[in-house]
Amino acid sequence: EDQVTQSPEALRLQEGESSSLNCSYTVSGLRGLFWYRQDPGKGPEFLFTLYSAGEEKEKERLKATLTKKESFLHITAPKPEDSATYLCAVPAGNMLTFGGGTRLMVKP
Amino acid sequence: KAGVTQTPRYLIKTRGQQVTLSCSPISGHRSVSWYQQTPGQGLQFLFEYFSETQRNKGNFPGRFSGRQFSNSRSEMNVSTLELGDSALYLCASSQNQAGAANTEAFFGQGTRLTVV
Repeated sequence: EDQVTQSPEALRLQEGESSSLNCSYTVSGLRGLFWYRQDPGKGPEFLFTLYSAGEEKEKERLKATLTKKESFLHITAPKPEDSATYLCAVPAGNMLTFGGGTRLMVKP
Repeated sequence: KAGVTQTPRYLIKTRGQQVTLSCSPISGHRSVSWYQQTPGQGLQFLFEYFSETQRNKGNFPGRFSGRQFSNSRSEMNVSTLELGDSALYLCASSQNQAGAANTEAFFGQGTRLTVV
């Protein structure tokens, strides 16, 4: 059964304190891994797609990496506006399977 | 380029009523998927439509149904509402059907349904 697990569930950081979020997956035949950001009460906002092990994508303070079993979302020198829930998802069959998300809180 | 539009944004319904939610995908996108999001269960897949055909359905009761029109717009319907149906309902559109290439899904802002 395809599974996606994210850790930690919640993460509190001080502004400027870099860290990483983890997304581990078990799927047969990976056809991409997607990262999203979701603010409270809003729909997920697409961030990155990764297709193969070793691939990296960057956007502002975020960098996503992919291995054969997991993906990391590295946040460098975060700011309070980076506070959100970060979701990862993989295509499984005809749908996306999502992890439970990591709720990131960045304090000034 | 306009994003995914969901209407209405908020709804309050009474138990036993039915509700219809609407989703207009990004222009050119032919796949529309629906998800239910609750604090306890996270994002759960409801169904996906591609070129007016339902290709996959999640583990939800038959009270949840949907359809897609020839212009790719989609609606989902929930009949005989229960308190547990209170959730954020999200629609996502993608260029191709889930499972194929170029399947990044772009989400609307969601419809917040409250059942009282």
